[in-house]
Amino acid sequence: EVQLVQSGAEVKKPGESLKISCQAYGFTFFRYWIGWVRHMPGRGLEWIGIIYPGDSDTRYSPSFQGQVIISADKSIGTAYLQWTSLKASDTAMYYCARLGRSGSFWGNWFDPWGQGTLVTVSS
Amino acid sequence: EIVMTQSPATLSVSPGERATLSCRASQSVSTTLAWYQLKPGQPPRLLIYGASTRATGIPARFSGSGSGTEFTLTIGSLQSEDFAVYYCQQYNEWWTFGQGTKVEMK
Repeated sequence: EVQLVQSGAEVKKPGESLKISCQAYGFTFFRYWIGWVRHMPGRGLEWIGIIYPGDSDTRYSPSFQGQVIISADKSIGTAYLQWTSLKASDTAMYYCARLGRSGSFWGNWFDPWGQGTLVTVSS
Repeated sequence: EIVMTQSPATLSVSPGERATLSCRASQSVSTTLAWYQLKPGQPPRLLIYGASTRATGIPARFSGSGSGTEFTLTIGSLQSEDFAVYYCQQYNEWWTFGQGTKVEMK
């Protein structure tokens, strides 16, 4: 079964660092783009960025460029989303998702999705 | 950035009735349009891609239509498990989502 399994919920303080993970099962990890999406209540879903584990080619939404770091380790089939200095405004649910077809990210939807990682940043 | 606008924000429907959800793009996206269902505690579930193609395992009561800037998701006969929030997403130029339509029980 094709699935993405994310790491558990996190509670952090402002200024702390964090790296959450997304483990892939049931497909050839390095052949598919993996994306990250933020879900904040009242703000809907927002695309953060994508990575191609085969060569670590990474693209970021302009809204998130410089705010997060996306990486992947193809040897263990895992993608990551990382913050070096969290803010309270980073509090949200974060989903990883595979692009539906292998190859180019253009013209490609998200499917399947991980179960989500809730990140809470509070002093 | 392509802006996606969904309407209505909330739709109150009785079980067994038809639900019609709308999604408008700020510029043409051809048929590069997907619909997702989101329930509390569950990840988003792909329902429709290519504006009208049902994803694997999606019941036939879900149908999508439209092209260009106007799109519709129709749920033919609402079941109890269909009460959820539905998002449209364009993937013609990067990815942007609508703000969602909550389908609630009337």
